[in-house]
Amino acid sequence: AQRVTQPEKLLSVFKGAPVELKCNYSYSGSPELFWYVQYSRQRLQLLLRHISRESIKGFTADLNKGETSFHLKKPFAQEEDSAMYYCALGTDRGSTLGRLYFGRGTQLTVWP
Amino acid sequence: NAGVTQTPKFRILKIGQSMTLQCAQDMNHNYMYWYRQDPGMGLKLIYYSVGAGITDKGEVPNGYNVSRSTTEDFPLRLELAAPSQTSVYFCASSYSKGNEQFFGPGTRLTVL
Repeated sequence: AQRVTQPEKLLSVFKGAPVELKCNYSYSGSPELFWYVQYSRQRLQLLLRHISRESIKGFTADLNKGETSFHLKKPFAQEEDSAMYYCALGTDRGSTLGRLYFGRGTQLTVWP
Repeated sequence: NAGVTQTPKFRILKIGQSMTLQCAQDMNHNYMYWYRQDPGMGLKLIYYSVGAGITDKGEVPNGYNVSRSTTEDFPLRLELAAPSQTSVYFCASSYSKGNEQFFGPGTRLTVL
């Protein structure tokens, strides 16, 4: 069954420190992985996706199929990065085509 | 473009009442989704649609109904509200499978 695990419910770092938000997934097919972000009082929006392999707002994420992980990283956290981050899994076939499976989210707080 | 819009923003229902959560998008997206977000639980898919006239169940469809008579609109119906349906409801849309999902601002529903 498809599953996304974000082990940290809360994560706090100081400004300028590196940050890593963990995401592990379970899926037997070829996964599509996404990170969505929800800033305070804003709607959920896409941050990045693994197939684009790009850096958005200094964040990167690499899909590791061996470890079934898609951790989100940023070398120097900023206060404006404080938000709720959701990892999401998309499937490539079958009855679940087109759906996303979300993790429970990690609330990141960056202290000044 | 307004993107994805949802009404109402807030609602309090009594047990047994019914209501319809409205969702509309003006991006000509084929795929539309309804999620519920419970505290600490991430987003769970209730129903989704891959086009007008086509809907399917997600992970947690019990107690809800949907219809998709037009590409733009995807209302979610609660027939007999229960306290377990207290949640934040998000509507989303995407052009096709695997594409970015665009989210509405959410509807906060409380059932007392």
